[in-house]
Order: sequence, then structure tokens, then C-alpha cells
Amino acid sequence: NAGVMQNPRHLVRRRGQEARLRCSPMKGHSHVYWYRQLPEEGLKFMVYLQKENIIDESGMPKERFSAEFPKEGPSILRIQQVVRGDSAAYFCASSPPQVMRYNEQFFGPGTRLTVL
Amino acid sequence: AQTVTQSQPEMSVQEAETVTLSCTYDTSESNYYLFWYKQPPSRQMILVIRQEAYKQQNATENRFSVNFQKAAKSFSLKISDSQLGDTAMYFCAFIGGADGLTFGKGTHLIIQP
Repeated sequence: NAGVMQNPRHLVRRRGQEARLRCSPMKGHSHVYWYRQLPEEGLKFMVYLQKENIIDESGMPKERFSAEFPKEGPSILRIQQVVRGDSAAYFCASSPPQVMRYNEQFFGPGTRLTVL
Repeated sequence: AQTVTQSQPEMSVQEAETVTLSCTYDTSESNYYLFWYKQPPSRQMILVIRQEAYKQQNATENRFSVNFQKAAKSFSLKISDSQLGDTAMYFCAFIGGADGLTFGKGTHLIIQP
């Protein structure tokens, strides 16, 4: 059973370009979470999605950032008009359909975004 | 809002020694979960141990154990018989009342040969 997959692992963009980060959850998982890790910091929650629904986006910046989890295909975190401050590692985690108050989140290897 | 504080940016011990990493948190939730994650140089986040707040018994996973003091809102991680492969960043994390995990800033643990 493959784990959570993220691609690309490394992404370089120039200021003003768009960045698209992809996350394929573990098989059977229908919940996806995105986190951002700035240098020397812990991970910060950004958004929680289920298939075709954004459940909680309280950690998403109000502008330039969006996320989706379509019925088919991976979850996408999209950053428009990137700035240097967006340089960070972006982690995706997935969990199975919720049957208890909390289900363990399994993390992918992350995408390191560098904005030149 | 929940907060997680790790007051030790870096720790270094000799191989085979025991080391304790500290973590405190703040929340108004009555039911929640606490975690320790390990992040080696590969950057993969690996769950080390989990504690449910309503359970009084401290969680244990092989060489890893926690000291959970609910009243003090303290959740320390003890690593016994430390090994070179334990060298990593360790993050304390919390979830309760919200959907995402709240992480501390991490402790860089170095195991010296």
C-alpha cells in the first residue's frame, strides 16, 4: 500500500509565477490536509479537504492561495503570483473516513518550493 | 486558539544515554490528542507516539515514552538507550476542537557517537 505521494519534490519558481503542488492520498483515504513549514519552524496547518469539499481553510492566506480535492485525481495546492516569502516546504497528509473524533494523519514527503 | 511550546531548540547527548524533550501546550478543550513527530534529514514526518488526553496512563512505544501531566499541560518525550538514528528534529503536536494539527517549533536532537 503506497503512502501519501507528493510531486514534485522540489519546485523552483520565479516571482510572479504560479506554483502547483500535487498530493495523492493513501488508498482508501478521503481526507487531505495541507501544511506549510517555513525554515526553522514547525508545520502550520493550512487547509482540510474532503472529496470536492473544503472543510476548513482557516490557515490559508486570504489571497493567492487555493486548494482543491476533485472527485478524481490528486489534491492540488495552487499558489498564484508567488513571492519570496512563499519559499517553504509544503506537506500533505491524509486520513481515512472519520469514524472517531480523530484519525491519524499520514504525511507525504513534502514539496520544497523555492522562489527566486 | 491552541499553542504548543518547545523550549529546547537543540539538545545533544551521547549514544545509549536517556534524553527527555519538553513540551507544554495551552488549550481550553477538554478532549484532545497529543503527538510527537520525528523529522529526520529526509524531511519525512514520522509519528513517534500518541497520547489521548482522557487516558491517564502514559503512552509507551518501545524506547519512547511520554510523561503526560494534564493539569500542568505538559507532554514530555523520553528516549531511552538513544541511538544514532534518533538524530532528527522532534515536533510536539496537538489536535482538539479543530481539524489541523498544531505543532511546536521543534527540538533538534543530536545523538553523538
